[in-house]
Amino acid sequence: DSGVTQTPKHLITATGQRVTLRCSPRSGDLSVYWYQQSLDQGLQFLIQYYNGEERAKGNILERFSAQQFPDLHSELNLSSLELGDSALYFCASSVETGNSGANVLTFGAGSRLTVL
Amino acid sequence: LAKTTQPISMDSYEGQEVNITCSHNNIATNDYITWYQQFPSQGPRFIIQGYKTKVTNEVASLFIPADRKSSTLSLPRVSLSDTAVYYCLVGGGTNAGKSTFGDGTTLTVKP
Repeated sequence: DSGVTQTPKHLITATGQRVTLRCSPRSGDLSVYWYQQSLDQGLQFLIQYYNGEERAKGNILERFSAQQFPDLHSELNLSSLELGDSALYFCASSVETGNSGANVLTFGAGSRLTVL
Repeated sequence: LAKTTQPISMDSYEGQEVNITCSHNNIATNDYITWYQQFPSQGPRFIIQGYKTKVTNEVASLFIPADRKSSTLSLPRVSLSDTAVYYCLVGGGTNAGKSTFGDGTTLTVKP
């Protein structure tokens, strides 16, 4: 158990639908990151939050949005789902963001989304 | 963000030492080098991190030459359970998560 909790573990839905993925970071970590990993592909960075504020954006589609709440948990909302959105979605957390350099990510077990 | 280049795949046998090299020519002064391991359908797991010279922990060593344009992850005496994808990530601080992990190196350990 990495300390990063993601729910649900599996989700099957239909095209056009909307889903919400949830992430609770490791205790004490202020930064949350979301990644997408399609079949047999590398992890694509989507977005990062630090202490409730958006800090960095990657290749996140306009149909996707995220937020980090005061208790530091984060949600990734995926709407108007398409077949190509089927993937593993990982959340990671770290102690801090900034230019300290030595920033290590702790990943959750992922949420597997299947769009039919 | 520094772009990294790793071999796509490597094969080894149980008990051998495995060295995986990562090239990162445009590494920035404050960038750290971090290696992660990922098993199928699991999240990546931190292996080791370094800034320069050599770092060793209970599972691996990381060798970084003086120019820091490359790094080598060394896994001593691998076992079948070390079969996984290994990612080299360069960055730190606010850049820690923005880097794309890329394809990584798929290590296959054979009996």
